[in-house]
Amino acid sequence: AQSVAQPEDQVNVAEGNPLTVKCTYSVSGNPYLFWYVQYPNRGLQFLLKYITGDNLVKGSYGFEAEFNKSQTSFHLKKPSALVSDSALYFCAVRDMSKGRRALTFGSGTRLQVQP
Amino acid sequence: NAGVTQTPKFQVLKTGQSMTLQCAQDMNHNSMYWYRQDPGMGLRLIYYSASEGTTDKGEVPNGYNVSRLNKREFSLRLESAAPSQTSVYFCASSDGTSSNQPQHFGDGTRLSIL
Repeated sequence: AQSVAQPEDQVNVAEGNPLTVKCTYSVSGNPYLFWYVQYPNRGLQFLLKYITGDNLVKGSYGFEAEFNKSQTSFHLKKPSALVSDSALYFCAVRDMSKGRRALTFGSGTRLQVQP
Repeated sequence: NAGVTQTPKFQVLKTGQSMTLQCAQDMNHNSMYWYRQDPGMGLRLIYYSASEGTTDKGEVPNGYNVSRLNKREFSLRLESAAPSQTSVYFCASSDGTSSNQPQHFGDGTRLSIL
Protein backbone atom coordinates (compact mmCIF):
# COMPACT_ATOMS: atom_id res chain seq x y z
CA ALA A 1 0.00 0.00 0.00
CA GLN A 2 1.17 3.50 -0.68
CA SER A 3 2.24 5.70 2.21
CA VAL A 4 3.78 9.05 2.98
CA ALA A 5 5.90 9.92 6.00
CA GLN A 6 6.64 13.36 7.36
CA PRO A 7 9.13 12.65 10.14
CA GLU A 8 8.95 16.05 11.83
CA ASP A 9 5.84 17.25 13.63
CA GLN A 10 7.23 20.77 13.76
CA VAL A 11 10.04 22.72 12.14
CA ASN A 12 11.28 25.99 13.60
CA VAL A 13 13.32 28.44 11.56
CA ALA A 14 14.29 32.08 11.85
CA GLU A 15 13.01 34.55 9.29
CA GLY A 16 15.46 34.92 6.41
CA ASN A 17 16.99 31.48 6.93
CA PRO A 18 16.48 28.58 4.51
CA LEU A 19 13.86 26.02 5.41
CA THR A 20 13.36 22.34 4.63
CA VAL A 21 10.29 20.24 5.36
CA LYS A 22 10.93 16.54 4.87
CA CYS A 23 8.81 13.93 3.12
CA THR A 24 9.46 10.31 2.17
CA TYR A 25 7.09 8.07 0.26
CA SER A 26 6.42 4.45 -0.55
CA VAL A 27 4.49 3.43 -3.67
CA SER A 28 4.57 0.70 -6.26
CA GLY A 29 5.05 2.25 -9.65
CA ASN A 30 5.81 5.84 -10.51
CA PRO A 31 4.79 8.37 -7.88
CA TYR A 32 2.91 11.59 -8.48
CA LEU A 33 3.89 13.82 -5.55
CA PHE A 34 2.29 16.98 -4.20
CA TRP A 35 2.82 19.57 -1.48
CA TYR A 36 -0.07 21.46 0.09
CA VAL A 37 -0.20 24.21 2.72
CA GLN A 38 -2.97 24.81 5.25
CA TYR A 39 -3.53 28.07 7.09
CA PRO A 40 -5.70 28.15 10.25
CA ASN A 41 -9.37 27.41 9.65
CA ARG A 42 -8.82 27.06 5.91
CA GLY A 43 -8.68 24.23 3.42
CA LEU A 44 -5.51 22.95 1.82
CA GLN A 45 -3.88 25.01 -0.92
CA PHE A 46 -1.77 23.45 -3.65
CA LEU A 47 1.92 24.49 -3.67
CA LEU A 48 3.65 22.28 -6.23
CA LYS A 49 3.79 18.85 -7.81
CA TYR A 50 6.22 16.36 -9.28
CA ILE A 51 5.00 14.20 -12.13
CA THR A 52 8.04 13.50 -14.25
CA GLY A 53 11.12 15.28 -15.59
CA ASP A 54 13.29 17.71 -13.66
CA ASN A 55 14.00 16.62 -10.10
CA LEU A 56 13.78 20.20 -8.82
CA VAL A 57 10.25 21.51 -8.98
CA LYS A 58 9.34 25.16 -8.45
CA GLY A 59 5.97 26.16 -7.05
CA SER A 60 3.97 28.97 -5.48
CA TYR A 61 5.24 31.58 -2.99
CA GLY A 62 8.93 30.85 -3.69
CA PHE A 63 8.76 27.22 -2.59
CA GLU A 64 10.52 24.41 -4.39
CA ALA A 65 10.88 20.68 -3.85
CA GLU A 66 13.55 18.16 -4.71
CA PHE A 67 12.56 14.70 -5.89
CA ASN A 68 15.06 11.95 -5.10
CA LYS A 69 14.06 8.57 -6.46
CA SER A 70 16.84 6.57 -4.81
CA GLN A 71 15.98 7.96 -1.38
CA THR A 72 12.23 8.02 -2.11
CA SER A 73 12.09 11.57 -0.83
CA PHE A 74 10.39 14.78 -1.87
CA HIS A 75 11.57 17.51 0.49
CA LEU A 76 10.05 20.98 0.42
CA LYS A 77 12.47 23.91 0.49
CA LYS A 78 12.61 27.67 0.46
CA PRO A 79 15.81 29.74 0.35
CA SER A 80 14.59 32.49 2.70
CA ALA A 81 11.70 31.93 5.13
CA LEU A 82 9.04 34.52 5.88
CA VAL A 83 6.93 34.82 9.03
CA SER A 84 3.88 34.48 6.76
CA ASP A 85 5.10 30.99 5.74
CA SER A 86 4.10 29.73 9.20
CA ALA A 87 1.44 27.10 8.53
CA LEU A 88 0.78 23.37 8.35
CA TYR A 89 2.37 21.59 5.38
CA PHE A 90 1.25 18.29 3.89
CA CYS A 91 3.02 16.00 1.48
CA ALA A 92 0.81 13.70 -0.60
CA VAL A 93 1.20 10.96 -3.18
CA ARG A 94 -1.03 9.57 -5.88
CA ASP A 95 -0.11 6.04 -6.87
CA MET A 96 -0.96 5.80 -10.53
CA SER A 97 -0.35 2.06 -10.64
CA LYS A 98 -3.59 1.64 -8.74
CA GLY A 99 -5.50 3.91 -11.08
CA ARG A 100 -6.93 5.93 -8.21
CA ARG A 101 -7.05 9.67 -8.39
CA ALA A 102 -7.37 10.29 -4.67
CA LEU A 103 -4.36 11.25 -2.58
CA THR A 104 -2.63 9.66 0.37
CA PHE A 105 -1.43 12.35 2.77
CA GLY A 106 1.33 12.52 5.33
CA SER A 107 0.50 13.52 8.89
CA GLY A 108 1.61 17.11 8.35
CA THR A 109 4.48 19.30 9.56
CA ARG A 110 3.88 22.55 11.34
CA LEU A 111 6.31 25.24 10.20
CA GLN A 112 6.98 28.04 12.64
CA VAL A 113 9.02 30.99 11.33
CA GLN A 114 10.26 33.28 14.07
CA PRO A 115 10.81 37.01 13.44
CA ASN B 1 -14.30 32.70 -7.98
CA ALA B 2 -15.97 30.54 -5.33
CA GLY B 3 -14.08 27.29 -6.05
CA VAL B 4 -15.26 24.61 -3.61
CA THR B 5 -18.00 25.64 -1.17
CA GLN B 6 -18.90 23.59 1.90
CA THR B 7 -21.90 24.04 4.17
CA PRO B 8 -22.27 24.27 7.06
CA LYS B 9 -18.95 25.55 8.44
CA PHE B 10 -19.66 24.32 11.98
CA GLN B 11 -22.10 21.84 13.46
CA VAL B 12 -22.69 20.17 16.79
CA LEU B 13 -24.69 16.94 16.88
CA LYS B 14 -25.80 14.51 19.51
CA THR B 15 -24.90 10.84 19.22
CA GLY B 16 -27.38 9.07 16.96
CA GLN B 17 -28.48 12.15 15.03
CA SER B 18 -28.15 12.27 11.27
CA MET B 19 -26.72 15.00 9.10
CA THR B 20 -25.75 15.77 5.52
CA LEU B 21 -22.68 17.82 4.66
CA GLN B 22 -23.00 19.71 1.41
CA CYS B 23 -20.28 20.42 -1.15
CA ALA B 24 -20.46 22.25 -4.46
CA GLN B 25 -17.78 23.23 -6.97
CA ASP B 26 -17.98 25.70 -9.83
CA MET B 27 -14.84 24.66 -11.75
CA ASN B 28 -16.53 22.06 -13.96
CA HIS B 29 -14.40 19.32 -12.39
CA ASN B 30 -15.24 15.69 -12.97
CA SER B 31 -13.81 14.23 -9.76
CA MET B 32 -14.83 15.03 -6.21
CA TYR B 33 -13.65 13.75 -2.82
CA TRP B 34 -14.49 13.72 0.86
CA TYR B 35 -11.70 13.63 3.45
CA ARG B 36 -11.61 13.84 7.21
CA GLN B 37 -8.79 15.52 9.10
CA ASP B 38 -7.85 14.42 12.59
CA PRO B 39 -4.91 15.71 14.66
CA GLY B 40 -1.65 13.97 13.82
CA MET B 41 -3.22 11.83 11.09
CA GLY B 42 -3.27 14.06 8.06
CA LEU B 43 -6.26 13.72 5.77
CA ARG B 44 -7.92 10.38 5.16
CA LEU B 45 -10.15 9.66 2.21
CA ILE B 46 -13.74 8.72 3.05
CA TYR B 47 -15.34 8.47 -0.41
CA TYR B 48 -14.67 9.77 -3.86
CA SER B 49 -16.50 10.21 -7.13
CA ALA B 50 -14.40 9.91 -10.27
CA SER B 51 -17.21 11.26 -12.41
CA GLU B 52 -20.90 12.08 -12.26
CA GLY B 53 -22.87 8.94 -11.46
CA THR B 54 -20.04 7.00 -9.82
CA THR B 55 -18.86 6.76 -6.22
CA ASP B 56 -16.22 4.60 -4.55
CA LYS B 57 -15.10 3.90 -1.02
CA GLY B 58 -11.89 5.35 0.27
CA GLU B 59 -9.81 4.48 3.31
CA VAL B 60 -12.40 5.13 6.05
CA PRO B 61 -15.94 4.78 4.61
CA ASN B 62 -17.69 3.10 7.56
CA GLY B 63 -20.53 5.17 9.00
CA TYR B 64 -20.83 7.40 5.93
CA ASN B 65 -22.76 7.53 2.69
CA VAL B 66 -22.37 9.84 -0.28
CA SER B 67 -24.41 11.12 -3.18
CA ARG B 68 -23.09 12.66 -6.37
CA LEU B 69 -26.17 14.71 -7.07
CA ASN B 70 -24.87 16.18 -10.32
CA LYS B 71 -21.52 17.30 -11.68
CA ARG B 72 -21.33 20.22 -9.25
CA GLU B 73 -22.51 18.66 -5.99
CA PHE B 74 -21.23 15.84 -3.80
CA SER B 75 -22.82 15.34 -0.38
CA LEU B 76 -21.70 13.30 2.62
CA ARG B 77 -24.25 11.82 5.02
CA LEU B 78 -23.85 10.57 8.56
CA GLU B 79 -26.85 8.34 9.25
CA SER B 80 -26.26 7.85 12.96
CA ALA B 81 -23.49 10.08 14.27
CA ALA B 82 -20.93 8.71 16.72
CA PRO B 83 -18.36 10.59 18.84
CA SER B 84 -15.59 8.98 16.75
CA GLN B 85 -16.86 10.99 13.80
CA THR B 86 -15.92 14.26 15.47
CA SER B 87 -13.53 15.73 12.93
CA VAL B 88 -12.98 18.38 10.31
CA TYR B 89 -14.40 17.31 6.97
CA PHE B 90 -12.98 18.57 3.68
CA CYS B 91 -14.44 18.32 0.23
CA ALA B 92 -12.14 18.57 -2.79
CA SER B 93 -12.43 18.45 -6.55
CA SER B 94 -10.06 17.93 -9.47
CA ASP B 95 -10.10 17.83 -13.23
CA GLY B 96 -10.48 14.11 -13.75
CA THR B 97 -9.43 14.20 -17.38
CA SER B 98 -5.81 14.34 -16.28
CA SER B 99 -4.65 12.49 -13.19
CA ASN B 100 -1.75 14.83 -12.49
CA GLN B 101 -3.98 17.81 -11.76
CA PRO B 102 -4.04 19.09 -8.17
CA GLN B 103 -7.09 18.91 -5.98
CA HIS B 104 -8.88 22.08 -4.88
CA PHE B 105 -10.21 22.09 -1.32
CA GLY B 106 -13.08 23.78 0.45
CA ASP B 107 -12.58 25.44 3.84
CA GLY B 108 -14.02 22.50 5.75
CA THR B 109 -16.89 21.63 8.06
CA ARG B 110 -16.02 21.37 11.73
CA LEU B 111 -18.24 18.69 13.22
CA SER B 112 -18.56 17.81 16.91
CA ILE B 113 -20.53 14.79 18.09
CA LEU B 114 -21.50 14.83 21.76
